[in-house]
Amino acid sequence: AQKVTQAQTEISVVEKEDVTLDCVYETRDTTYYLFWYKQPPSGELVFLIRRNSFDEQNEISGRYSWNFQKSTSSFNFTITASQVVDSAVYFCALSEYVGNEKLTFGTGTRLTIIP
Amino acid sequence: DAGITQSPRHKVTETGTPVTLRCHQTENHRYMYWYRQDPGHGLRLIHYSYGVKDTDKGEVSDGYSVSRSKTEDFLLTLESATSSQTSVYFCATMTVDRGFTDTQYFGPGTRLTVL
Repeated sequence: AQKVTQAQTEISVVEKEDVTLDCVYETRDTTYYLFWYKQPPSGELVFLIRRNSFDEQNEISGRYSWNFQKSTSSFNFTITASQVVDSAVYFCALSEYVGNEKLTFGTGTRLTIIP
Repeated sequence: DAGITQSPRHKVTETGTPVTLRCHQTENHRYMYWYRQDPGHGLRLIHYSYGVKDTDKGEVSDGYSVSRSKTEDFLLTLESATSSQTSVYFCATMTVDRGFTDTQYFGPGTRLTVL
């Protein structure tokens, strides 16, 4: 069975600091997909990134970057120079490519950026 | 985004009453999903559909049923609501491109309170 662990329940940092959100996953499949979603205080779920298991290249998008390491089964998310608008709950999720395309979510990390 | 709407957005009901939540999409996506979000659990899959009249159970399907008679609509029914079904319910849709998993996009959510 697949599992996603986000051990950090809540994180608070002062604005402009860098912050890393951890995600550790478990799966028996060799082909799978990893996702990050953001849930701001307004409640909607916003897609941030999708990464397949064959692509271990790190990705950077503006102040956001993602570090995928198969050796440690981790897909960590770093926000550089954090801003108040980054305050949200962030979810990591896993989808196994077995024809059902179901997402397994972690329990989320609540990030608070202090002005 | 996949043009997903959910109705109602908020509902308060009493224990034992039937409740139906509707998810409507305008993108002709094949896959549709219902999740519930509870503190400490992240999002958990209730049911999903991989085509008209094709549905299957997710992780927390007890007490819920679904129907999909048209591509654009996916209904979630609580036959006899219980207080444990108080939650925020999210619908999601996804298309599968040439056999590869795509990204799930989420609706705005429905907050259901069962008294």
